[in-house]
Amino acid sequence: DTAVSQTPKYLVTQMGNDKSIKCEQNLGHDTMYWYKQDSKKFLKIMFSYNNKELIINETVPNRFSPKSPDKAHLNLHINSLELGDSAVYFCASSRNLGATNEKLFFGSGTQLSVL
Amino acid sequence: AQSVTQLDSQVPVFEEAPVELRCNYSSSVSVYLFWYVQYPNQGLQLLLKYLSGSTLVKGINGFEAEFNKSQTSFHLRKPSVHISDTAEYFCAVRSEGGGAQKLVFGQGTRLTINP
Repeated sequence: DTAVSQTPKYLVTQMGNDKSIKCEQNLGHDTMYWYKQDSKKFLKIMFSYNNKELIINETVPNRFSPKSPDKAHLNLHINSLELGDSAVYFCASSRNLGATNEKLFFGSGTQLSVL
Repeated sequence: AQSVTQLDSQVPVFEEAPVELRCNYSSSVSVYLFWYVQYPNQGLQLLLKYLSGSTLVKGINGFEAEFNKSQTSFHLRKPSVHISDTAEYFCAVRSEGGGAQKLVFGQGTRLTINP
């Protein structure tokens, strides 16, 4: 079974649309994350979510909003999509937030293309 | 704040040849260092990490890395590569006091193994 799974794998949409990417982890982890990988392959954290506490990277536009119905799920909603939102989005999880040697488990990514 | 520079965006090598992927970091405080690997169409997986102790760290699949504090480097090496090592490799750093959400990634090095 896949530890961290996200859907869809590919998402092609028009500018201005609203879309969601779903993420689920079956590892029993307390913390989940969303990362954005741009065209130059830089990976930047967007959000971390731990015990109902949301930590937001201040550079993320408020058109992006994570929603966690339960500890095993962290979905990413994007409103009014822009061309610059085109990227690969990775979901990840870890046992908790602050452990010294914390290891991240990543999903396989969602490639978002905004036309 | 920490930053990571991976000096080579692409490294082509022949099968069974040795390889070194270079990583330099910048930080004003003590850090933990990581190498993640991303195989095609998959999420990132932890390859190895340096937290403290011996500066030579061994990871999965025969990879190792050496922490050099004076040169602020954490280069990844393998004495003999296989076709299956073809992947994207990411160096990452975070401060000792920072949680997993503080992990900063480099821009990746694409390792291509030629037969």
